[in-house]
Amino acid sequence: GEDVEQSLFLSVREGDSSVINCTYTDSSSTYLYWYKQEPGAGLQLLTYIFSNMDMKQDQRLTVLLNKKDKHLSLRIADTQTGDSAIYFCAEWIPNDYKLSFGAGTTVTVRA
Amino acid sequence: DAGVTQSPTHLIKTRGQQVTLRCSPISGHKSVSWYQQVLGQGPQFIFQYYEKEERGRGNFPDRFSARQFPNYSSELNVNALLLGDSALYLCASSLGTLAEAFFGQGTRLTVV
Repeated sequence: GEDVEQSLFLSVREGDSSVINCTYTDSSSTYLYWYKQEPGAGLQLLTYIFSNMDMKQDQRLTVLLNKKDKHLSLRIADTQTGDSAIYFCAEWIPNDYKLSFGAGTTVTVRA
Repeated sequence: DAGVTQSPTHLIKTRGQQVTLRCSPISGHKSVSWYQQVLGQGPQFIFQYYEKEERGRGNFPDRFSARQFPNYSSELNVNALLLGDSALYLCASSLGTLAEAFFGQGTRLTVV
């Protein structure tokens, strides 16, 4: 079965790096995603990584994938106040044609 | 280019009523998926449609139904509304069944 787990809260100082961690269980996952949700808004696709990759970098975002441990992380460099939001990790479940989401990590950026 | 558009943005319904939510995918996208997000939780998968056929269905009761039209837009219908159906309903579109999914702003449904 599939189950995605994330820590619920992260507080970080402006200018520091944020690291959000996620674990997943479905070994058939092909793609893993990070989404951002601001208050009252929908989900914004931040980045994704294919399961045969270890790392992907996109400007301030770095995704690391440890497929052996089924562990995914998102690092945000130089965190800004605009990065305050809920971040969701999601895995694509190919047999069910669906994304399975974690409960989300609320990131608060303090001055 | 327009992103995924959903209508209405907000809706208040009474228990027992029926509701229809609408979604227009990004131009050129043939797949539409529906998710329910209850406050404080991650989105839960309801349906995926590709080329007007249902490809996936989540663990939701038969009160939930959907369809996709020839122009790839989609409707989600919920019958006999319960208080527990109050949630943000999100629509996502993608080029195919296995591709990046882009979400709309959602429809906030409140059942009273």
